[in-house]
Amino acid sequence: GDSVTQMEGPVTLSEEAFLTINCTYTATGYPSLFWYVQYPGEGLQLLLKATKADDKGSNKGFEATYRKETTSFHLEKGSVQVSDSAVYFCALKASSASKIIFGSGTRLSIRP
Amino acid sequence: GAVVSQHPSRVICKSGTSVKIECRSLDFQATTMFWYRQFPKQSLMLMATSNEGSKATYEQGVEKDKFLINHASLTLSTLTVTSAHPEDSSFYICSARERGGTDTQYFGPGTRLTVL
Repeated sequence: GDSVTQMEGPVTLSEEAFLTINCTYTATGYPSLFWYVQYPGEGLQLLLKATKADDKGSNKGFEATYRKETTSFHLEKGSVQVSDSAVYFCALKASSASKIIFGSGTRLSIRP
Repeated sequence: GAVVSQHPSRVICKSGTSVKIECRSLDFQATTMFWYRQFPKQSLMLMATSNEGSKATYEQGVEKDKFLINHASLTLSTLTVTSAHPEDSSFYICSARERGGTDTQYFGPGTRLTVL
C-alpha cells in the first residue's frame, strides 16, 4: 500500500542553519504530496504542497520539490529560526482516495 | 483562510464514562470530515471518515461501537468515545474538506483526552 518514510528525529540545529528533512514515498499513480507542521500543543497546519511532478511547493521560506524519479519530497529551508521548532510531517494523498497518509514526523529543535 | 475548531481542547474523565468531542468548520461547509488519533511522539492515524448525512467509514481495527461518529450537518461532526478507558487517552484531531473545494484538508487544533 501507499506509504511515506521520513527521516527520524529529533533534528537539532543552530539558528540560521540550513535545514533538510528527507521524505520519500511509495504510491501508485500520481499522488499529491504535503508537508504539515505541528507546533507544541496544537493541531496540524498545512505548510506546503505539490500536486504533480516537478512542482515546487513553498511557504514561509520552506520549499519542497516533487521528484517523481526519486519518489521524494524533501523539505528545505535556507536559514531556520527558533520559531521553526516544531514537528514536521510529510504526507501523501492518492489521486483516487480521500484519506491522507502521514509519515512518522520529524521533531525539529532550533537553538538560539 | 478555512478554520476548523474543536471543543473541548482538553478533557479529563473517569474510566467508564463517555466523552463527546466536537469538530466544526467555521467559515466553510465540509462535506467530509476526518478523525485522527495521535499517540505521544507518533504520527496521526486515521480513525474514520465521515460524510455529511451518511454513516462514517472506519479504518481497520477501529471499533465503531466505541468511537461513535456523527456528521449531522455540513459544519459539525462529533466523535463520542464511549465507556472510555485509560488506553483511550490520546490526542484526537479532526480535519475537514471543503464542499466543492480542492482536496486540501484543514485541521482542527486537537483535543487531548485523559482517562483516569
